[in-house]
Amino acid sequence: DAKTTQPTSMDCAEGRAANLPCNHSTISGNEYVYWYRQIHSQGPQYIIHGLKNNETNEMASLIITEDRKSSTLILPHATLRDTAVYYCIVRVADSGYSTLTFGKGTMLLVSP
Amino acid sequence: DAGVIQSPRHEVTEMGQEVTLRCKPISGHNSLFWYRQTMMRGLELLIYFNNNVPIDDSGMPEDRFSAKMPNASFSTLKIQPSEPRDSAVYFCASMVVNTGELFFGEGSRLTVL
Repeated sequence: DAKTTQPTSMDCAEGRAANLPCNHSTISGNEYVYWYRQIHSQGPQYIIHGLKNNETNEMASLIITEDRKSSTLILPHATLRDTAVYYCIVRVADSGYSTLTFGKGTMLLVSP
Repeated sequence: DAGVIQSPRHEVTEMGQEVTLRCKPISGHNSLFWYRQTMMRGLELLIYFNNNVPIDDSGMPEDRFSAKMPNASFSTLKIQPSEPRDSAVYFCASMVVNTGELFFGEGSRLTVL
């Protein structure tokens, strides 16, 4: 699976949009981009995933560049409960033999 | 839906003792993963199963670690003998194979003295 690069930490004011970048310049054509987050002392939680089109769900939006070498996770109105470590992962889709490898992630701190 | 259930939530044991961690995946999920998390090494994949069959155990640290999945609703991770460096939070996760949407349990925090 392709490697990803994320900033170590980011800050965001409550109520503002949080934009978390991820670089995956070596991504292959059959690899999806997944985002998870881990709130302190809990197990990671799935947020969203996509291949090449932008995706949106009740938690977040995922914007993938046209060349697919980078993506941005957007939390439109961050709350204090969004403070967590956010992981960007690329994974071969439709493969029972492809795992999810978690890197260091980005520590997002949402402040009042 | 109860989610992924792990037990025990906390375990404190002495070096040399056997430790068994247990996991009940979400009903209908046919892939199960064991991860270990420490401050130094982050979240590491130890082993995963598809349809109760171990697919990749290359992350298992050494022979002291073993994992089984005797049926679709139960898995164990055993450490024998335990060592202080095994102290970590151990997560079990399950998913429908191929989806990539992992559901994690609350973890088992192991402390080996």
